[in-house]
Amino acid sequence: EDKVVQSPLSLVVHEGDTVTLNCSYEVTNFRSLLWYKQEKKAPTFLFMLTSSGIEKKSGRLSSILDKKELFSILNITATQTGDSAVYLCAVLYNQGGKLIFGQGTELSVKP
Amino acid sequence: DTEVTQTPKHLVMGMTNKKSLKCEQHMGHRAMYWYKQKAKKPPELMFVYSYEKLSINESVPSRFSPECPNSSLLNLHLHALQPEDSALYLCASSQPSGRANDNEQFFGPGTRLTVL
Repeated sequence: EDKVVQSPLSLVVHEGDTVTLNCSYEVTNFRSLLWYKQEKKAPTFLFMLTSSGIEKKSGRLSSILDKKELFSILNITATQTGDSAVYLCAVLYNQGGKLIFGQGTELSVKP
Repeated sequence: DTEVTQTPKHLVMGMTNKKSLKCEQHMGHRAMYWYKQKAKKPPELMFVYSYEKLSINESVPSRFSPECPNSSLLNLHLHALQPEDSALYLCASSQPSGRANDNEQFFGPGTRLTVL
C-alpha cells in the first residue's frame, strides 16, 4: 500500500532555532513531492520537488528531495512564532492529479 | 485573481437535509479537486475533475455527489449525510500540464461541515 510518513509528528522549538522536518514515501507511480503549510484553514503551497538533489529555497525555508532513498526534508532557519503550523508533505502521482498526504508535523515556535 | 474561494464557510445540517458546497477559481485551472479533512488528520482526496470531467472518485459514498458546471466552478451536493461526515471540506485547483494534472494544487479555505 502506498504511504507517506512524516517525522516528527510534533515539535516545540524557540524562536531563532533551526528545524528539519522529514518526509519519507513508498509510492508507485511517483511524480513529485509537495510541501504545504496549514495554519487554521487552507494548506498553503510551499514547494514542489520533482528532481533529486536540487534544493528549493524561499526565504528561510528550503527543501530537497532524494529519489533514491525516497525522502525529502524541509528546513526552516531562524524560526519565528509565525512559523507555527502543521507542515504537510504530499506525493503527487504520475497521472490524474492524485495527492496523498503524510500525517503532518505540528510545529510550535515559542517566543 | 490567485484565489480559490469556497462557500459557505460553515454549514450545519441535519441528516435528512440536502445542501451544496461551492468552490470557484478564476486562475484558468482545468483540474479541480474535493478533499475531506477530519480534525488532526491530513486531507483525503475524494474527487478529481479534469477538463470538467470526473476523472477520479476515491470510492466516495453516493451521498456525496460532485458536479462541475464549468471550468471555474465545482459543487459538492450533500444528501442524507451521517454525523461522521462532519469535517472540513477543501476544494483545490491546479494548472493543467497536458492532461497529467501534474502541477501544484492550490487550496481554498474550506467549508466546516457539521452534521447533526
